[in-house]
Amino acid sequence: NAGVTQTPKFRILKIGQSMTLQCAQDMNHNYMYWYRQDPGMGLKLIYYSVGAGITDKGEVPNGYNVSRSTTEDFPLRLELAAPSQTSVYFCASSRAEGGSQPQHFGDGTRLSIL
Amino acid sequence: AQSVTQLGSHVSVSEGALVLLRCNYSSSVPPYLFWYVQYPNQGLQLLLKYTSAATLVKGINGFEAEFKKSETSFHLTKPSAHMSDAAEYFCAVSDGGGADGLTFGKGTHLIIQP
Repeated sequence: NAGVTQTPKFRILKIGQSMTLQCAQDMNHNYMYWYRQDPGMGLKLIYYSVGAGITDKGEVPNGYNVSRSTTEDFPLRLELAAPSQTSVYFCASSRAEGGSQPQHFGDGTRLSIL
Repeated sequence: AQSVTQLGSHVSVSEGALVLLRCNYSSSVPPYLFWYVQYPNQGLQLLLKYTSAATLVKGINGFEAEFKKSETSFHLTKPSAHMSDAAEYFCAVSDGGGADGLTFGKGTHLIIQP
């Protein structure tokens, strides 16, 4: 009963390095999302996808890229890490049917850029 | 554009007392509304959702919320607080127009005093 799995759980990067945050879901959900959570700010949407091969920008996409080659996987790429990208990143998925379906969240990746 | 306001970044109640967490939303269309709970170092778990059926929605762990259109509110309540309820609570809204994610409030940290 895995649900949404995110790896790694923790990571420290140096400024200018790149990395990929992995996200996989086993619920056959069409919709997938990436959020970042900063203290006292709630969650902000970075990118989302409605199916394999289709992605779109959310509220805070700058500095990130995504791809969706399969229904199960939705990796998030940071190309040139900056201190402002220090955050907790959450991946989520949901069934289709517009916005009425709840989103299922992974446990997050805690990323520090030093 | 939709938005969510959660009044009070921190709420403290005594064990056994009533829990009331406030959420007001703005949306140009009838919204879908959600409450999520986040325990330390974990992802978000769905507590309950409103999707235009009954205005009083019952969720897990004894929580419930009432949708009041005239007040644009969706406050979360629990009659008797338990120590295990200590967590961060997020209210979120979707306008149901598609898959473009949830808009979250900034969260309320619930503290339970023994």
